[in-house]
Amino acid sequence: EVQLLESGGGLVQPGGSLRLSCAASGFTFSSYAMSWVRQAPGKGLEWVSAISGSGGSTYYADSVKGRFTVSRDNSKNTLYLQMNSLRAEDTAVYYCAKDLIAGLWGSPRWGYWGQGTLVTVSS
Amino acid sequence: DIQMTQSPSSLSASVGDRVTITCRASQTISSYLNWYQQKPGKAPKLLIYTASSLQNGVPSRFSGSGSGTDFTLTITSLQPEDFATYYCQQNYNTPYTFGQGTKLEIK
Repeated sequence: EVQLLESGGGLVQPGGSLRLSCAASGFTFSSYAMSWVRQAPGKGLEWVSAISGSGGSTYYADSVKGRFTVSRDNSKNTLYLQMNSLRAEDTAVYYCAKDLIAGLWGSPRWGYWGQGTLVTVSS
Repeated sequence: DIQMTQSPSSLSASVGDRVTITCRASQTISSYLNWYQQKPGKAPKLLIYTASSLQNGVPSRFSGSGSGTDFTLTITSLQPEDFATYYCQQNYNTPYTFGQGTKLEIK
């Protein structure tokens, strides 16, 4: 059974940093591209970042480019999102999501999602 | 960036009704269109991918159609568990953008 478990969320001051983790199990982690998608309170979904199965390729939304870094440790079956220079508008539930198809990079179809972790940026 | 526009933003319907939600892309995206269902406090769930392919385990009352810029999600014979918010999402290119959502409520 595929499981994705996010952690690392919490309250942080503007300008601060936070690292989110997503522990994966139930599939061959290194074979799948992964993404982070966020949802501000009461708002819609926003894609944040994606990383290929090998970790060699990444994409970012313009709203986080230069501040957030996505990475993965395939030996630990874990996806990360390092978030720096956090702003109030980064407040959201952050979900990690697994691509539906192994070996695919680009054109993601997020067939599995974690339960999300809440990041609150406030003084 | 490709803008995705859903209509309506909200919809009231009754159990047993047939409903259609539309999604329009600001430029052609071929069939690179997915539909998700989200219930309050839960993660989104993939319903339809590549515009018309039903994800495993999703009931056949859900269907998708369209290509290019105009897409539809149809739910025939609404069930109580279908009342949720629905999002379209293009995966043609980055940034992978979502529609604003359609909230389906019980009449």
